[in-house]
Amino acid sequence: NAGVTQTPKFQVLKTGQSMTLQCAQDMNHNSMYWYRQDPGMGLRLIYYSASEGTTDKGEVPNGYNVSRLNKREFSLRLESAAPSQTSVYFCASSERQSQYFGPGTRLTVT
Amino acid sequence: SQQGEEDPQALSIQEGENATMNCSYKTSINNLQWYRQNSGRGLVHLILIRSNEREKHSGRLRVTLDTSKKSSSLLITASRAADTASYFCATDRQGGSEKLVFGKGMKLTVNP
Repeated sequence: NAGVTQTPKFQVLKTGQSMTLQCAQDMNHNSMYWYRQDPGMGLRLIYYSASEGTTDKGEVPNGYNVSRLNKREFSLRLESAAPSQTSVYFCASSERQSQYFGPGTRLTVT
Repeated sequence: SQQGEEDPQALSIQEGENATMNCSYKTSINNLQWYRQNSGRGLVHLILIRSNEREKHSGRLRVTLDTSKKSSSLLITASRAADTASYFCATDRQGGSEKLVFGKGMKLTVNP
């Protein structure tokens, strides 16, 4: 039982490049989330998925897209990376209220 | 938009002492949760308290909730060096989804 896994762990992109962050959970949870964490800002919700095939914008969705193709996986895509997207990205899943977090992806955009 | 706000932002204590962290929030909630984050890791759920509860215990953790003051406190008793971490409160919205709004977090350092 791996919980929530994220790949990659680290990534460096140049401005304008695209990439997809992968997230998978093996707890059979319906809800999944993408957050970004910046120093002094806490966690901010980027996108949320209540169930397979549904997604909803969070607090900071601009510059991101998501895909929930099945119950296990929820991916986050940056179409044209910007330096302002330098951050640590966390995926989480939940059933009822408590959320379970992945180890994070540290992304640097130069 | 931050819902929860932890106080103090940083706390440094000696091993064996108690640590108290406070959280204030703005809107009505169904429940409030506390999470811990060790350096370089993801958040780990510690405890959840519902809006109709006033106090809850889990091991060395004690959480209180005062909905009239829109505030909560997390007490860690007999702290250990391993408790060194950042702590976050998180709230949902009454009548809302499972989405949580996290505070900015507070850094606890327990010195051996």
